[in-house]
Formats: sequence, structure tokens, C-alpha cells
Amino acid sequence: GAVVSQHPSWVICKSGTSVKIECRSLDFQATTMFWYRQFPKQSLMLMATSNEGSKATYEQGVEKDKFLINHASLTLSTLTVTSAHPEDSSFYICSAAPDRNSPLHFGNGTRLTVT
Amino acid sequence: EDQVTQSPEALRLQEGESSSLNCSYTVSGLRGLFWYRQDPGKGPEFLFTLYSAGEEKEKERLKATLTKKESFLHITAPKPEDSATYLCAVQAWDGNEKLTFGTGTRLTIIP
Repeated sequence: GAVVSQHPSWVICKSGTSVKIECRSLDFQATTMFWYRQFPKQSLMLMATSNEGSKATYEQGVEKDKFLINHASLTLSTLTVTSAHPEDSSFYICSAAPDRNSPLHFGNGTRLTVT
Repeated sequence: EDQVTQSPEALRLQEGESSSLNCSYTVSGLRGLFWYRQDPGKGPEFLFTLYSAGEEKEKERLKATLTKKESFLHITAPKPEDSATYLCAVQAWDGNEKLTFGTGTRLTIIP
């Protein structure tokens, strides 16, 4: 149980375009989902907390107008990287838990490459 | 601010050679300490949650322990398939479920 699915697993886009990443909880409902970013050989850094039916909460230093988060249902959160630049190239991973007493489960990540 | 430090950064072991990975942490109030395994190009896979000092959890060749300042992940008689990056994370009692991660230990088991 507690499966989190992420799509796409990899994407290549041109500088200046936008990319949408989907995160779904397959066998549970999640009022909260977390978006992380991971650079090579570095740890996971929390970008934002996605809240169903309300605005996302962004970590300090993360541009909310660049990384748009929409949590429209209890099983789906999306991250849109707008006007992507090469420095946005990274590994983006989402996570969610069935309830507050369960561990977070992670999707398999999305490798974004901006050319 | 919550902090997690893992050591060593990388560890190479011969198959069957037991060892331990360290995770030192500072957190305002520990709600839980988590161990995850991450394979290249994949998301982290949950291994253990520890809640209080003295607690131990085991799964196959892995055993996790917790004190008030650090956690250890002991690996006994490892196999090549245990090769991965092992991540430690803490969750605080601040009303938020978010995890603060360490940078991980990259473990390589040589056949």
C-alpha cells in the first residue's frame, strides 16, 4: 500500500518553455503532498508543501511564481516549472502519506533537463 | 533549524563485511527519525521509523537504532544488492509533516 506515482519520469524542454509534473497517490487520499528537489550527489531539499483546496506553502528562497503548484484533488498534485532555464535542471520528487502517523512515501521522481 | 548530518559520505565494503552508518541530528522536538534507501534515478524507499531513544527496528540485514543525538543503521553481512544511498531524515513536532534530510551515505558492496 501507500503508492505514489509521478509522471513523467523524465522530460527535456527548451529554455523559456513550461513543464508540468504530476504526482498521484494511487491507493490513498492525501490532503498534503510535498515537493522536493535533488541535485546530483546532494540531499533532498523541500521546495513546497501542497495543500488540497488551498494555496501551497513555499520554502524560503523558492519562487512561487516560477514553481506553480496545484492540488486540485485528494489524489493529484501538479508542479509546473514556468519559463524554465538550464539552472532548473534537476530531479524533482513528490511525496505523500496516508495519514499523519504514517511515513512519507515518495514517487520515483522526474528528471528535468532544460536545454 | 533542524539539521541532519550523515557519515561517512561513501562506504565501500566487501560482500559479507558488516558496518554501520551514522546519522547525527538536531531538532527542536523529535517526532520521528526516518531511514530511506535510494537507488540511482529513483525516489527514496521507506525503511524504518524510530520515535524514541533506545528504540531499534530490524529488516533483513538492516538494523536501525536511535539515541537522543544520533541514529545508526547497522548492516550485517551485506550483499551486492544492498548497494544504494541511505538517507536519514527527521520530522519535528511543529505541526508540519515535512522531513529534513541528510546528504546520505553512498554504500557500495563489492562481490
